[in-house]
Amino acid sequence: EIVMTQSPVTLSVSPGERATLSCRASQNVYADLAWYQQKPGQAPRLLIYGASTRATGIPTRFSGSGSGTEFTLTISSLQSEDFAVYYCQQYYNWPTFGLGTKVEI
Amino acid sequence: EVNLVESGGGLVRPGGSLRLSCAASGFTFSTYSMNWVRLAPGKGLEWVSSITADSTYIFYADSVKGRFTISRDNAKNSLFLQMDRLRADDAAVYYCARVRRLGISRGELDSWGQGTLVTVSS
Repeated sequence: EIVMTQSPVTLSVSPGERATLSCRASQNVYADLAWYQQKPGQAPRLLIYGASTRATGIPTRFSGSGSGTEFTLTISSLQSEDFAVYYCQQYYNWPTFGLGTKVEI
Repeated sequence: EVNLVESGGGLVRPGGSLRLSCAASGFTFSTYSMNWVRLAPGKGLEWVSSITADSTYIFYADSVKGRFTISRDNAKNSLFLQMDRLRADDAAVYYCARVRRLGISRGELDSWGQGTLVTVSS
């Protein structure tokens, strides 16, 4: 099983600031990496796939980078609606998710 | 618009069974692989099972293998998860989700239902 490790567990930021979230895979997953946003009581929402491709309708302030074992999700200027939990997922092998990063004020 | 609606969750005793359903609409269900993913209290997302569009290939997480059975009825645009021998650690919100790309069994999940809650307790 490929273990996905996300950091930090919690990220405290202010609206308008930049947020950088990290995700590390226990082995090479190439670019088979997705990012999701989840708000309380809601379904996860696909943000990024292929490590860096924004999903349909995702604002340009969300960007993904990395390949192999190190990945980053950047939110360039946080909006109030961006406060949520963010998960990374690899699908190079049977899907595994990280434990999430909570972005809070 | 893609719409996925889960149902069938509830309270069940350890060792009991439940059958979850996911009704799909707004897309050609029969051409997409589907997954079940769960979110347990205080934990992260966990992939549970995948099924290809024509049910040829089916896969399970080790944690549910031998106890859960995924299936689909393309004529009724429906996905199912039969859960037997339930344990306390199966308690979670269960989501059905669509694999974005056609022709593969695993990948990024671009559409999710709102989830159905499964509680396992005596």
